[in-house]
Amino acid sequence: NAGVTQTPKFRILKIGQSMTLQCTQDMNHNYMYWYRQDPGMGLKLIYYSVGAGITDKGEVPNGYNVSRSTTEDFPLRLELAAPSQTSVYFCASSYPQTRGDGYTFGSGTRLTVV
Amino acid sequence: KNEVEQSPQNLTAQEGEFITINCSYSVGISALHWLQQHPGGGIVSLFMLSSGKKKHGRLIATINIQEKHSSLHITASHPRDSAVYICAPNTGNQFYFGTGTSLTVIP
Repeated sequence: NAGVTQTPKFRILKIGQSMTLQCTQDMNHNYMYWYRQDPGMGLKLIYYSVGAGITDKGEVPNGYNVSRSTTEDFPLRLELAAPSQTSVYFCASSYPQTRGDGYTFGSGTRLTVV
Repeated sequence: KNEVEQSPQNLTAQEGEFITINCSYSVGISALHWLQQHPGGGIVSLFMLSSGKKKHGRLIATINIQEKHSSLHITASHPRDSAVYICAPNTGNQFYFGTGTSLTVIP
């Protein structure tokens, strides 16, 4: 049981480049989330999805896009990378918030924009 | 305005001590999570609570919905408990995070 798999683990981007962070879960969780964590700071929600075909903005969505075409996959797209997007990105999944044992997190993607 | 307040921000304890981390929130919630983030960065979900109390090994989490307060207790603390503990309440479509409590347990 792989849980939540994020790729890549590390990436360096130049300003203006684009990339997609991949996230896959094999637990049949309805909910999936993307968070960023800046150095020494707490988690901030970028986007979340309550099921295939449904996505919603979180606290810090600007500069990012997501899609949820299947239950398993929730990729995060960065367009026109900026130094302010240097962060560690975590993908997570869960059942609806009133059942289950909580979140399962991926291992994170450390992104540096130079 | 912070919807979630955690205390203390930093905590140093001797091995074996009983530890309490507190979380107060201002929103009506569906559930509250306690997360653990190890120095290497990985995040693990410890508990999800919507009422009452849960226990897992040496960890106990309680929540008082009326008082909008939750606590995480660690009994017989151990150096491997050293981590950042994060309180994360949510309303079902609004997700909040505390800034975390950094715990260091000294042998």
